[in-house]
Amino acid sequence: DIQMTQSPSSLSASVGDGVTITCRASQSISSYLNWYQQKPGKAPKVLIYGTTSLQSGVPSRFSGSGSGTDFTLTISSLQPEDFATYYCQQSYSYPWTFGQGTNVEIK
Amino acid sequence: QVQLVQSGAEVRKPGASVKVSCKASGYTFTGSYIHWVRQAPGQRLEWVGWINPNSGGTNYAQNFQGRVTMTKDTSISTAYMELSSLTSDDTAVYYCARARTVFGVVTLFDYWGQGTLVTVSS
Repeated sequence: DIQMTQSPSSLSASVGDGVTITCRASQSISSYLNWYQQKPGKAPKVLIYGTTSLQSGVPSRFSGSGSGTDFTLTISSLQPEDFATYYCQQSYSYPWTFGQGTNVEIK
Repeated sequence: QVQLVQSGAEVRKPGASVKVSCKASGYTFTGSYIHWVRQAPGQRLEWVGWINPNSGGTNYAQNFQGRVTMTKDTSISTAYMELSSLTSDDTAVYYCARARTVFGVVTLFDYWGQGTLVTVSS
């Protein structure tokens, strides 16, 4: 199975800050990397798919980059509604796997 | 609008089985795979498997082989996931999610059900 490791596991930031979350795969997954946002008690919501493509309706302050084994989710200017947990997920090979999550908290 | 509505919370004893439903609306049910993902308390998301609502074909994660069965009823646009031989480790929120494939190769979960809490306790 492909292991997905995110860093950091949690971070504290203020509204308006720029934030970067990293996801590393245990082997190359080409560009088959998606990012999801999850709020407490809610289902995940897709933000970015195929490493860089922004899902319809998602604000442009979210962006993704990377390839192979190393990927990044960037939030250019944190808004109050962005405080949540973020997961990366690979769809390169089965079983599809997720990172352990990055909890973005208010400083 | 696309919606996936799941059945309500369940409580089971160890060794029992549970069947969760996922009713789709707002799109052609047979046109998109349905995946199941679970999340144990405080844990990461875990992929369980998928069903093709058109053919009934399935693909299960190795961790669940022999214990999980995914089925569908196209007449009511509903997918089901049954998990047997439950243990306390199966206590989790189970989600169904619609898969969308873009560029012919990239697949994402674009719509999710609200989740079903399954509690396994003696």
